[in-house]
Amino acid sequence: EAGVVQSPRYKIIEKKQPVAFWCNPISGHNTLYWYLQNLGQGPELLIRYENEEAVDDSQLPKDRFSAERLKGVDSTLKIQPAELGDSAVYLCASSLGLRTTDTQYFGPGTRLTVL
Amino acid sequence: AQKITQTQPGMFVQEKEAVTLDCTYDTSDPSYGLFWYKQPSSGEMIFLIYQGSYDQQNATEGRYSLNFQKARKSANLVISASQLGDSAMYFCAMRDEGDQAGTALIFGKGTTLSVSS
Repeated sequence: EAGVVQSPRYKIIEKKQPVAFWCNPISGHNTLYWYLQNLGQGPELLIRYENEEAVDDSQLPKDRFSAERLKGVDSTLKIQPAELGDSAVYLCASSLGLRTTDTQYFGPGTRLTVL
Repeated sequence: AQKITQTQPGMFVQEKEAVTLDCTYDTSDPSYGLFWYKQPSSGEMIFLIYQGSYDQQNATEGRYSLNFQKARKSANLVISASQLGDSAMYFCAMRDEGDQAGTALIFGKGTTLSVSS
């Protein structure tokens, strides 16, 4: 069974440029998460989707970040415009559902460098 | 508030030895799950082991076991017979039923494990 797929793996952009990350979750997983991981830290939630609905986006900086999950499968996270402080790893994860026992499986992440 | 604490920034162990990575947690919810993930230098978070708050037995998965002490709110990961490929960052994480946001994982800061030959 294929795992969570993310692209691109690496992205280098100049500040003020837009950037987008793509995620394809494990087949059948209704819940999709985007996490931000700064260097030397654990991941922190940006947004969570139940099917196509964003049910927790309280940590998403909405002035520059946006996300969508069309048809409840693939998801895209966008930053516009990017700032130097956005340099980090952006991780996508998916799980079957909401139970505490539902394991979240992560993709390889996108490492963003903003110059 | 939910919190995960990993107090060991780095741990060193020799091949074939066992190592314990510490994790303490804080939650007021009686129903929660505890997870350990491994993150090698390639960046992917790899799920290792899960322990539920109501589980009577400590979880085990191959060379990984979880020393769950509920009264102390600790969930230490034990890796037996360490291998060179175990060198990585290890994260302890928790989720509880508390509220809508509680279904996301809360992570600790991680422990870097270095295995030498």
